[in-house]
Amino acid sequence: KNEVEQSPQNLTAQEGEFITINCSYSVGISALHWLQQHPGGGIVSLFMLSSGKKKHGRLIATINIQEKHSSLHITASHPRDSAVYICAATSTGNQFYFGTGTSLTVIP
Amino acid sequence: GAVVSQHPSWVICKSGTSVKIECRSLDFQATTMFWYRQFPKQSLMLMATSNEGSKATYEQGVEKDKFLINHASLTLSTLTVTSAHPEDSSFYICSALKPGQLDEQYFGPGTRLTVT
Repeated sequence: KNEVEQSPQNLTAQEGEFITINCSYSVGISALHWLQQHPGGGIVSLFMLSSGKKKHGRLIATINIQEKHSSLHITASHPRDSAVYICAATSTGNQFYFGTGTSLTVIP
Repeated sequence: GAVVSQHPSWVICKSGTSVKIECRSLDFQATTMFWYRQFPKQSLMLMATSNEGSKATYEQGVEKDKFLINHASLTLSTLTVTSAHPEDSSFYICSALKPGQLDEQYFGPGTRLTVT
Protein backbone atom coordinates (compact mmCIF):
# COMPACT_ATOMS: atom_id res chain seq x y z
CA LYS A 1 0.00 0.00 0.00
CA ASN A 2 1.32 3.42 -0.95
CA GLU A 3 1.68 6.01 1.75
CA VAL A 4 0.12 8.55 -0.62
CA GLU A 5 -2.84 7.64 -2.78
CA GLN A 6 -4.29 9.81 -5.50
CA SER A 7 -7.53 9.62 -7.40
CA PRO A 8 -8.48 9.56 -10.12
CA GLN A 9 -5.49 8.25 -12.08
CA ASN A 10 -6.79 9.72 -15.30
CA LEU A 11 -9.24 12.51 -15.82
CA THR A 12 -10.71 14.03 -18.96
CA ALA A 13 -12.75 17.19 -18.71
CA GLN A 14 -14.39 19.70 -21.02
CA GLU A 15 -13.01 23.19 -21.02
CA GLY A 16 -14.69 25.24 -18.32
CA GLU A 17 -15.43 22.36 -16.00
CA PHE A 18 -14.60 22.36 -12.31
CA ILE A 19 -12.01 19.71 -11.55
CA THR A 20 -11.13 17.99 -8.30
CA ILE A 21 -8.17 15.72 -7.67
CA ASN A 22 -7.97 13.91 -4.37
CA CYS A 23 -5.04 12.81 -2.25
CA SER A 24 -5.07 10.64 0.85
CA TYR A 25 -2.06 9.86 2.97
CA SER A 26 -1.34 7.49 5.78
CA VAL A 27 1.74 9.02 7.40
CA GLY A 28 2.09 11.92 9.78
CA ILE A 29 3.09 14.90 7.71
CA SER A 30 4.73 18.25 8.15
CA ALA A 31 3.69 19.42 4.67
CA LEU A 32 1.66 18.35 1.68
CA HIS A 33 2.73 19.38 -1.83
CA TRP A 34 0.84 19.63 -5.07
CA LEU A 35 3.06 19.49 -8.14
CA GLN A 36 2.30 19.97 -11.81
CA GLN A 37 4.26 18.17 -14.48
CA HIS A 38 3.78 19.15 -18.10
CA PRO A 39 4.57 16.92 -21.08
CA GLY A 40 8.34 17.12 -21.47
CA GLY A 41 8.76 16.63 -17.77
CA GLY A 42 9.29 20.01 -16.13
CA ILE A 43 7.83 20.15 -12.65
CA VAL A 44 6.29 23.15 -10.98
CA SER A 45 5.45 23.28 -7.31
CA LEU A 46 1.88 24.56 -7.12
CA PHE A 47 1.23 24.51 -3.42
CA MET A 48 2.79 23.52 -0.17
CA LEU A 49 0.39 23.44 2.73
CA SER A 50 0.17 22.10 6.22
CA SER A 51 -3.33 23.24 7.12
CA GLY A 52 -6.42 24.91 5.74
CA LYS A 53 -6.64 26.19 2.23
CA LYS A 54 -4.54 28.05 -0.33
CA LYS A 55 -5.62 29.73 -3.53
CA HIS A 56 -3.60 30.82 -6.52
CA GLY A 57 -5.52 32.04 -9.53
CA ARG A 58 -7.87 29.27 -10.61
CA LEU A 59 -6.21 26.71 -8.40
CA ILE A 60 -7.29 25.91 -4.86
CA ALA A 61 -5.71 23.40 -2.51
CA THR A 62 -7.26 22.24 0.72
CA ILE A 63 -6.08 19.91 3.41
CA ASN A 64 -7.88 18.19 6.28
CA ILE A 65 -5.26 17.04 8.76
CA GLN A 66 -7.68 14.97 10.84
CA GLU A 67 -8.90 13.05 7.83
CA LYS A 68 -5.43 12.92 6.20
CA HIS A 69 -6.86 14.15 2.96
CA SER A 70 -6.09 16.92 0.52
CA SER A 71 -7.80 18.11 -2.64
CA LEU A 72 -6.67 20.16 -5.57
CA HIS A 73 -9.42 22.06 -7.38
CA ILE A 74 -9.20 23.76 -10.74
CA THR A 75 -11.97 26.19 -11.59
CA ALA A 76 -12.88 27.09 -15.17
CA SER A 77 -10.48 24.50 -16.55
CA HIS A 78 -8.55 25.24 -19.72
CA PRO A 79 -6.64 23.02 -22.15
CA ARG A 80 -3.38 24.50 -20.88
CA ASP A 81 -4.18 22.90 -17.52
CA SER A 82 -3.59 19.51 -19.15
CA ALA A 83 -0.73 17.97 -17.20
CA VAL A 84 0.05 15.37 -14.60
CA TYR A 85 -0.72 16.51 -11.08
CA ILE A 86 1.26 14.90 -8.30
CA CYS A 87 0.53 14.90 -4.60
CA ALA A 88 3.53 14.51 -2.35
CA ALA A 89 3.88 14.40 1.41
CA THR A 90 6.78 15.38 3.61
CA SER A 91 6.52 13.16 6.65
CA THR A 92 7.30 14.28 10.16
CA GLY A 93 10.36 12.06 9.81
CA ASN A 94 11.42 14.21 6.83
CA GLN A 95 10.82 11.52 4.26
CA PHE A 96 9.04 12.18 1.00
CA TYR A 97 6.24 10.14 -0.39
CA PHE A 98 4.79 10.68 -3.84
CA GLY A 99 1.43 9.78 -5.22
CA THR A 100 1.33 8.14 -8.61
CA GLY A 101 -0.08 11.22 -10.23
CA THR A 102 -3.31 12.19 -11.96
CA SER A 103 -3.16 12.71 -15.69
CA LEU A 104 -5.55 15.50 -16.61
CA THR A 105 -6.66 16.24 -20.15
CA VAL A 106 -8.87 19.24 -20.75
CA ILE A 107 -10.64 19.17 -24.08
CA PRO A 108 -11.50 22.43 -25.84
CA GLY B 1 9.07 32.49 -6.17
CA ALA B 2 12.36 30.72 -5.67
CA VAL B 3 14.11 29.32 -8.72
CA VAL B 4 16.06 26.13 -9.15
CA SER B 5 17.89 25.43 -12.38
CA GLN B 6 19.34 22.27 -13.83
CA HIS B 7 21.97 21.84 -16.47
CA PRO B 8 21.91 20.34 -18.95
CA SER B 9 18.22 20.03 -19.74
CA TRP B 10 18.93 17.01 -21.90
CA VAL B 11 21.97 14.93 -22.69
CA ILE B 12 22.79 11.98 -24.87
CA CYS B 13 25.86 9.93 -24.05
CA LYS B 14 27.42 6.63 -25.00
CA SER B 15 27.51 3.58 -22.76
CA GLY B 16 30.45 3.60 -20.42
CA THR B 17 30.84 7.33 -20.22
CA SER B 18 30.01 9.52 -17.23
CA VAL B 19 27.56 12.38 -17.17
CA LYS B 20 27.36 15.23 -14.69
CA ILE B 21 24.10 17.03 -13.96
CA GLU B 22 24.09 20.30 -12.05
CA CYS B 23 21.38 21.64 -9.78
CA ARG B 24 21.53 25.24 -8.66
CA SER B 25 19.36 27.29 -6.36
CA LEU B 26 19.46 30.71 -7.97
CA ASP B 27 18.11 33.03 -5.32
CA PHE B 28 18.44 31.23 -2.02
CA GLN B 29 20.89 29.08 -0.16
CA ALA B 30 19.96 25.45 0.14
CA THR B 31 21.69 23.29 2.69
CA THR B 32 19.60 20.38 1.50
CA MET B 33 18.89 19.30 -2.05
CA PHE B 34 17.21 16.18 -3.33
CA TRP B 35 17.71 14.08 -6.42
CA TYR B 36 14.84 12.19 -8.00
CA ARG B 37 14.48 9.86 -10.91
CA GLN B 38 11.41 9.37 -13.00
CA PHE B 39 10.74 6.54 -15.41
CA PRO B 40 8.23 7.04 -18.21
CA LYS B 41 4.66 7.32 -16.99
CA GLN B 42 5.73 6.81 -13.38
CA SER B 43 5.95 9.07 -10.41
CA LEU B 44 9.09 10.49 -8.91
CA MET B 45 11.45 8.26 -7.00
CA LEU B 46 13.73 9.82 -4.43
CA MET B 47 17.31 8.76 -5.07
CA ALA B 48 19.25 10.64 -2.44
CA THR B 49 19.34 13.59 -0.10
CA SER B 50 22.27 15.91 -0.60
CA ASN B 51 23.52 17.95 2.34
CA GLU B 52 26.03 20.73 1.90
CA GLY B 53 29.41 19.81 3.26
CA SER B 54 28.58 16.22 4.07
CA LYS B 55 27.98 12.92 2.36
CA ALA B 56 24.72 12.33 0.59
CA THR B 57 22.16 9.97 2.06
CA TYR B 58 21.06 7.42 -0.51
CA GLU B 59 17.73 5.65 -0.60
CA GLN B 60 17.67 1.89 -0.44
CA GLY B 61 18.52 0.30 -3.74
CA VAL B 62 20.37 3.32 -5.16
CA GLU B 63 24.04 2.61 -5.89
CA LYS B 64 26.08 5.38 -4.35
CA ASP B 65 29.16 4.47 -6.40
CA LYS B 66 27.19 4.79 -9.59
CA PHE B 67 25.31 7.96 -8.76
CA LEU B 68 27.87 10.28 -7.23
CA ILE B 69 26.46 13.32 -5.49
CA ASN B 70 28.47 16.33 -4.47
CA HIS B 71 26.97 19.30 -2.64
CA ALA B 72 30.00 21.55 -2.61
CA SER B 73 28.29 24.84 -1.96
CA LEU B 74 25.01 26.19 -0.62
CA THR B 75 23.74 26.78 -4.13
CA LEU B 76 25.07 23.83 -6.11
CA SER B 77 24.63 20.09 -6.02
CA THR B 78 25.84 17.77 -8.75
CA LEU B 79 24.80 14.27 -9.72
CA THR B 80 27.29 12.26 -11.75
CA VAL B 81 26.08 9.10 -13.43
CA THR B 82 29.22 7.02 -13.77
CA SER B 83 29.77 4.36 -16.42
CA ALA B 84 26.34 5.00 -17.79
CA HIS B 85 24.28 2.21 -19.29
CA PRO B 86 21.11 2.35 -21.37
CA GLU B 87 19.04 1.39 -18.31
CA ASP B 88 20.21 4.63 -16.68
CA SER B 89 18.27 6.54 -19.32
CA SER B 90 15.70 8.47 -17.38
CA PHE B 91 14.47 11.88 -16.31
CA TYR B 92 16.47 13.22 -13.38
CA ILE B 93 15.01 15.98 -11.26
CA CYS B 94 16.48 17.89 -8.38
CA SER B 95 14.82 19.98 -5.73
CA ALA B 96 16.17 22.39 -3.18
CA LEU B 97 14.88 23.05 0.29
CA LYS B 98 14.50 26.74 1.07
CA PRO B 99 14.98 27.24 4.80
CA GLY B 100 12.31 29.10 6.65
CA GLN B 101 9.44 28.81 9.05
CA LEU B 102 8.03 26.16 6.81
CA ASP B 103 10.70 24.61 4.64
CA GLU B 104 9.66 24.97 1.04
CA GLN B 105 10.88 22.63 -1.62
CA TYR B 106 11.49 23.97 -5.12
CA PHE B 107 11.94 21.70 -8.08
CA GLY B 108 14.31 22.04 -10.97
CA PRO B 109 13.05 21.58 -14.53
CA GLY B 110 14.71 18.19 -14.88
CA THR B 111 17.36 16.64 -17.08
CA ARG B 112 16.56 13.97 -19.62
CA LEU B 113 19.40 11.50 -19.97
CA THR B 114 19.59 9.10 -22.89
CA VAL B 115 22.36 6.53 -22.91
CA THR B 116 23.00 4.89 -26.26
